[in-house]
Order: sequence, then C-alpha cells, then structure tokens
Amino acid sequence: DGVVTQSPLSLPVTLGQPASISCRSSRSLVYSDGNTYLHWFQQRPGQSPRRLIYKVSNRDSGVPDRFSGSGSGTDFTLKISRVEAEDVGVYYCMQGTHWPRAFGQGTRLEIK
Amino acid sequence: QVQLVESGGGVVPPGRPLRLSCAASGFTFSRHTMQWVRQAPGKGLEWVALITYDGSNEYYADSVKGRFTISRDNSKNTLDLRMNSLTTDDTAVYYCVKEWGADSWGQGTLVTVSS
Repeated sequence: DGVVTQSPLSLPVTLGQPASISCRSSRSLVYSDGNTYLHWFQQRPGQSPRRLIYKVSNRDSGVPDRFSGSGSGTDFTLKISRVEAEDVGVYYCMQGTHWPRAFGQGTRLEIK
Repeated sequence: QVQLVESGGGVVPPGRPLRLSCAASGFTFSRHTMQWVRQAPGKGLEWVALITYDGSNEYYADSVKGRFTISRDNSKNTLDLRMNSLTTDDTAVYYCVKEWGADSWGQGTLVTVSS
C-alpha cells in the first residue's frame, strides 16, 4: 500500500505569510514509467475538492503562482508563498502510483 | 467545460442496495479513466474505485471490494456505482472524478445509511 501522511493537520497562518504542508509516503511514489504521481487538492468550505498541483510540481490551469509543489521519492511539500483569505480550507495530497490510491488525512489551513 | 453531475444518493437502510450515477459532459468521455471518491461527514477524502476508459479494468478500495461495482456506458456518457450490503460506514458524499490524476470533480451526492 502507498499510505501518505500529512503534517501538520492544522495550520494557522497570518495573511501574507508563507505556509508549507508536508506529505510523506510509506513507499517511493516513482512509477515504472519514471513519473511520480503525487497530486495536491484544495477543498474550500462547502465546495468539492479542486486539484492544484499534479505530478509533484505542475500547477493546474487557473491556479495562482503563489502555490508550488516540490519533492521526490517519498517526501513532498506544498507551499503557499503568501497566504490570502481565499486559501482557507483543507488541503490533501494523493498518491496515484500504487494500489489502492490513497489520500493524506488533510491539512486545515486557517487565518490566524 | 467539463461537467460531472452525480445523482442517486439518499437515505437507505443498512444492507440495502443503492446505485449512483454520474452524467458527464464537456469532454470525450470514452477516452478517459473515471473514479469515485467519497467523504464521510466531517472527515477526509477516501478513494473508492476506478475504471479505465474502455471499462476493461476496475480497481477497488479494500473497504468496498466485493460489495461495490463500478461501471460505465460510453454510449451514454455515464458512470455508475452499484453499492450492496451497505453499512453505516458507507455514509458519505460520493464524488465522480475524471482521470487518473483526478483533474475534475462533480458536486457530489450524499448517501446516508441509516435505519
């Protein structure tokens, strides 16, 4: 199994300050094709999840460039360079390399 | 513009079956892998099942294997989830999700398993 563990689970941040979320996998997420299928999602209150980042570091269309993803192997990070009010919500990583697919527990970002 | 519209949720007694559907539009449905992901009230996301673009391969979470069946009708652009032997642990919002990388999500349909 490819269990993924996020930290922290709660993240109070001052507006305009940076934020960072870690996602660690129990196994390497490098697939046999050489790609790493680690994605990041944002779920705002009352909304469906929305993908922000795919394959570690690729921003989806319309995602502000203050969001960035990095990492390799088993350790990954989502960074927000300057938190804005609209960033409030829960962030999830998901591994798409191993069966069964798995999401992290979620990190709740709130404004301090 | 991709649209995924789930339907079929509701209140169902434990042990009874339920069938969810997802109507897809705005993309060539028959070319894309599809998934179901669920979210229990106040909890995180849980991957449920995946079916490849042509229906030739299906994958399931251990928690639903043998009870749930994912299927698709490429002529109607629909994705289904047939759920049997439901328990209270299956209570959740069920999302229809496009592609291996989960690039688009529906608004979800709530399934409540309760006597």
